[in-house]
Amino acid sequence: QQQVKQSPQSLIVQKGGISIINCAYENTAFDYFPWYQQFPGKGPALLIAIRPDVSEKKEGRFTISFNKSAKQFSLHIMDSQPGDSATYFCAASIEGNTPLVFGKGTRLSVIA
Amino acid sequence: DGGITQSPKYLFRKEGQNVTLSCEQNLNHDAMYWYRQDPGQGLRLIYYSQIVNDFQKGDIAEGYSVSREKKESFPLTVTSAQKNPTAFYLCASSNNGATNEKLFFGSGTQLSVL
Repeated sequence: QQQVKQSPQSLIVQKGGISIINCAYENTAFDYFPWYQQFPGKGPALLIAIRPDVSEKKEGRFTISFNKSAKQFSLHIMDSQPGDSATYFCAASIEGNTPLVFGKGTRLSVIA
Repeated sequence: DGGITQSPKYLFRKEGQNVTLSCEQNLNHDAMYWYRQDPGQGLRLIYYSQIVNDFQKGDIAEGYSVSREKKESFPLTVTSAQKNPTAFYLCASSNNGATNEKLFFGSGTQLSVL
């Protein structure tokens, strides 16, 4: 049973455009939702995270939008750059209880 | 220079052989984790440890074993019982496994079967 469903599997965006990656979860007890960024041959690194008490969190060009009723959250990358080309993973967990459960990842390519 | 060191970067396993992947951290973190990454499959949890001398199975523990004798070390053994071991293995740590804190990942080990 896949607890966090991520889409799309791959995404191609023009430089300067907006990249949008979506995730849906099933377990309503999840209360922590991070996004990780991974470059080829490297381990993932935390990009941004949100908790369900807010509907949006922004850090620079990266924004998480959270919809608790729909059990969905998404990552928006504004003014996408070639350097943003990487694999992005959404994840979820229960505070103080479980390790992170990851989505299957989205390979983003930003082309000039 | 603090962080997580995984070795080797590339590893080849012969049929029926056990191999051990090393993971060392100097971040003084309590919790350590092993994830397996296959193309299009995301990161799947193999084992995790929240404290020395204790560890728990993750979602895909069959065919793997771990030990946590020291705080800074969490080696993963891929046994001959793991019939499809070819994958990218990632070790991670966090300050306190009981709370949702940032995971720090190593650079991974690519394991292939000869």
